[in-house]
Amino acid sequence: DQQVKQNSPSLSVQEGRISILNCDYTNSMFDYFLWYKKYPAEGPTFLISISSIKDKNEDGRFTVFLNKSAKHLSLHIVPSQPGDSAVYFCAASPNTGNQFYFGTGTSLTVIP
Amino acid sequence: DTAVSQTPKYLVTQMGNDKSIKCEQNLGHDTMYWYKQDSKKFLKIMFSYNNKELIINETVPNRFSPKSPDKAHLNLHINSLELGDSAVYFCASSQREAAEAFFGQGTRLTVV
Repeated sequence: DQQVKQNSPSLSVQEGRISILNCDYTNSMFDYFLWYKKYPAEGPTFLISISSIKDKNEDGRFTVFLNKSAKHLSLHIVPSQPGDSAVYFCAASPNTGNQFYFGTGTSLTVIP
Repeated sequence: DTAVSQTPKYLVTQMGNDKSIKCEQNLGHDTMYWYKQDSKKFLKIMFSYNNKELIINETVPNRFSPKSPDKAHLNLHINSLELGDSAVYFCASSQREAAEAFFGQGTRLTVV
């Protein structure tokens, strides 16, 4: 039973354009969300997070948006660069919990 | 200077064997985890230790036994390996429970 879903397994974007990666969750108790980036043969690397008291968090080219009513979050990368090509995982944690539930990832390819 | 290191990176072994994967973190974190990424790329927590105490033990066969000799180490021992155990196993650590985690590079286990 997957509580965090990334329905797009892959995404291709032209360099310089915006990349939008989406994530949906089912558990209304989730209140802390993270995005991780993963290159082949490496472990996931933490990218950006957001707590449920916010609807937006920005860090450089990366912005995460949270829509609690829709149980949806998205990661925007602008402008996209070839080095952003990787698999992106979203993860969520409940306010009473001590672990994260991960989505299955979206493979982003940024075309030069 | 690797923050979370796990060995070996690749492990090929026969069914029925017993094997161990070692993990060490030099970040001074209190919490360590083992995750399994299966063939569908689903990243799922197996175990979580906080200050050497087992916090999470998800539905994992008891052939899998974690051992935490100290806060900086969390090893995974697997008995009587089965074909279905083939996966990538990631070790991770975080400053506290449900905080962003730092992952090791993963161990690709292949059971033949």
